[in-house]
Amino acid sequence: AQSVTQLDSQVPVFEEAPVELRCNYSSSVSVYLFWYVQYPNQGLQLLLKYLSGSTLVESINGFEAEFNKSQTSFHLRKPSVHISDTAEYFCAVSGYSGAGSYQLTFGKGTKLSVIP
Amino acid sequence: KAGVTQTPRYLIKTRGQQVTLSCSPISGHRSVSWYQQTPGQGLQFLFEYFSETQRNKGNFPGRFSGRQFSNSRSEMNVSTLELGDSALYLCASSPDRVRGWRESGTGELFFGEGSRLTVL
Repeated sequence: AQSVTQLDSQVPVFEEAPVELRCNYSSSVSVYLFWYVQYPNQGLQLLLKYLSGSTLVESINGFEAEFNKSQTSFHLRKPSVHISDTAEYFCAVSGYSGAGSYQLTFGKGTKLSVIP
Repeated sequence: KAGVTQTPRYLIKTRGQQVTLSCSPISGHRSVSWYQQTPGQGLQFLFEYFSETQRNKGNFPGRFSGRQFSNSRSEMNVSTLELGDSALYLCASSPDRVRGWRESGTGELFFGEGSRLTVL
């Protein structure tokens, strides 16, 4: 079984300030890790993913996340946030669940509010 | 490529009724998953279909069911609606193959915009 814990349900931050959204996971098998973003009244969009290789992954809009296997964490960071980053962010872990199938398990989400 | 399309986007039902939601995956994607999203419970996995077969199932009562057609389009049905079924229902597709885990994909999902169901 696998699980994901997002430690903060809400994170307010001033515009142009840095932000870190925390994510810890547990799994008994090798996993892949994802961050998804959800804007109001929309579905989820993939922000970035860790599959293998470099433990630091980046998105096209300035977010980055680092896979830390020893701490079982995959925290999301951005050095300077913008108003348009206001959204809900979901950390997810994908692990093989048998029969050629991967099960994607989500955390409960962190609402990022950027204050002008 | 067109994205995942869900219909209808919004609907209102009353307790005891039943509802059917539709999902068209990205062309070429054969895996379709359904999630229920509520403010209290977050994103909860309902079920996944691959090649018209249910491959995984979450912990929901039998009132929740689904199916997948030969063209990979999927429908989910909720019978005897309850107030607690009010939620955003999200469909997601994946290009995962079934040949064995090393050849399979990684579980990355591509989501539709959801169907928001309100039960009165």
